[in-house]
Amino acid sequence: EAGVVQSPRYKIIEKKQPVAFWCNPISGHNTLYWYRQNLGQGPELLIRYENEEAVDDSQLPKDRFSAERLKGVDSTLKIQPAELGDSAVYLCASSWGSGANVLTFGAGSRLTVL
Amino acid sequence: AQSVAQPEDQVNVAEGNPLTVKCTYSVSGNPYLFWYVQYPNRGLQFLLKYITGDNLVKGSYGFEAEFNKSQTSFHLKKPSALVSDSALYFCVENQGGKLIFGQGTELSVKP
Repeated sequence: EAGVVQSPRYKIIEKKQPVAFWCNPISGHNTLYWYRQNLGQGPELLIRYENEEAVDDSQLPKDRFSAERLKGVDSTLKIQPAELGDSAVYLCASSWGSGANVLTFGAGSRLTVL
Repeated sequence: AQSVAQPEDQVNVAEGNPLTVKCTYSVSGNPYLFWYVQYPNRGLQFLLKYITGDNLVKGSYGFEAEFNKSQTSFHLKKPSALVSDSALYFCVENQGGKLIFGQGTELSVKP
């Protein structure tokens, strides 16, 4: 079974440009997460979906970040316009439920903003 | 703010020696606690979790962790370290469905 698939793995853009990341979770997992990991730090939650509904987006910078999970499967995270401080690894994870269940993480998308 | 703390940025051990990676949590009541590991250029991988029951939890690759409620700790341990255990380790606390990660501890195992 394929794990959580993310693309692209690497992206380099100029500041003020838009960028989008895509995530395909494990089949059957209803909960999907986007995390951001800055260099030398632990991941921080951006948004959590349960099926199509965003149940926690309190840490998503809504002025420039947006996310969607149409049909409750794949998800896209967009940044527009990107800033230098957005350089980080964007991690997608999925799980069945969100209590004590284990998250399965994708390999991440490394963004560099120049 | 509630958080999970990993007091050591880096832990160095010799191969074959026991290792401990420390973690303290802050959620009152009965916390859900996890350890994840991140190898270079690879995704985060689950090692083990504590939900309830036995305070000593066994996980993948020979790792175990001891839940101590009085000290609010959840230290990761392994009796005999391998060079291949070298990686970044995260202690994680589940707060209402949201995973809160510690800042990570870099484990370096030398031959």
